[in-house]
Amino acid sequence: GAGVSQTPSNKVTEKGKYVELRCDPISGHTALYWYRQSLGQGPEFLIYFQGTGAADDSGLPNDRFFAVRPEGSVSTLKIQRTERGDSAVYLCASSYNRQGGTDTQYFGPGTRLTVL
Amino acid sequence: GDSVTQMEGPVTLSEEAFLTINCTYTATGYPSLFWYVQYPGEGLQLLLKATKADDKGSNKGFEATYRKETTSFHLEKGSVQVSDSAVYFCALMGGATNKLIFGTGTLLAVQP
Repeated sequence: GAGVSQTPSNKVTEKGKYVELRCDPISGHTALYWYRQSLGQGPEFLIYFQGTGAADDSGLPNDRFFAVRPEGSVSTLKIQRTERGDSAVYLCASSYNRQGGTDTQYFGPGTRLTVL
Repeated sequence: GDSVTQMEGPVTLSEEAFLTINCTYTATGYPSLFWYVQYPGEGLQLLLKATKADDKGSNKGFEATYRKETTSFHLEKGSVQVSDSAVYFCALMGGATNKLIFGTGTLLAVQP
């Protein structure tokens, strides 16, 4: 079946601009995660959705970052007033997240964001 | 807070050599532990996992044992192949939201 997909695969923008990154999870997965991976580092957690609601947004670095998942499927990560330090690969993952379980998170290919 | 420390790379080995990549963790409670792999040009893939102490995860000839007493989850393979060249990430899953906390990754390069 189809895996997690992310669009665009690459995004180049100028400092101060607004960007949206899209994630399409595996069908039937209720949990969706966003991570950010800087060069030479491991992915860092940003936000977690269970269904439509953001259950944990403790990893969002500041209020320029926001994410939504209005219908419990596709999610959009939104970054306002981008800064050069936002340049990274943004990864999305989804899982069944059955209660009490440790379901595997399946990752998408990522969106490489470059802020000039 | 919770954290993962793994050995720095790159690790360069000849084909058929024995591989160990060290991973230790700090966590409250009893996290689940994972190894993810990122092949060149591809996304992160789960390699193996262990959910409780003394569990051994295994896949594709790789193994790792969850050692609570030493808070470790070292990755091993008896005979590496060129196709194993990739970046390997150790991770723990903790807290109520099951977010993953990753190490910095270890680049493995296997030479023929």
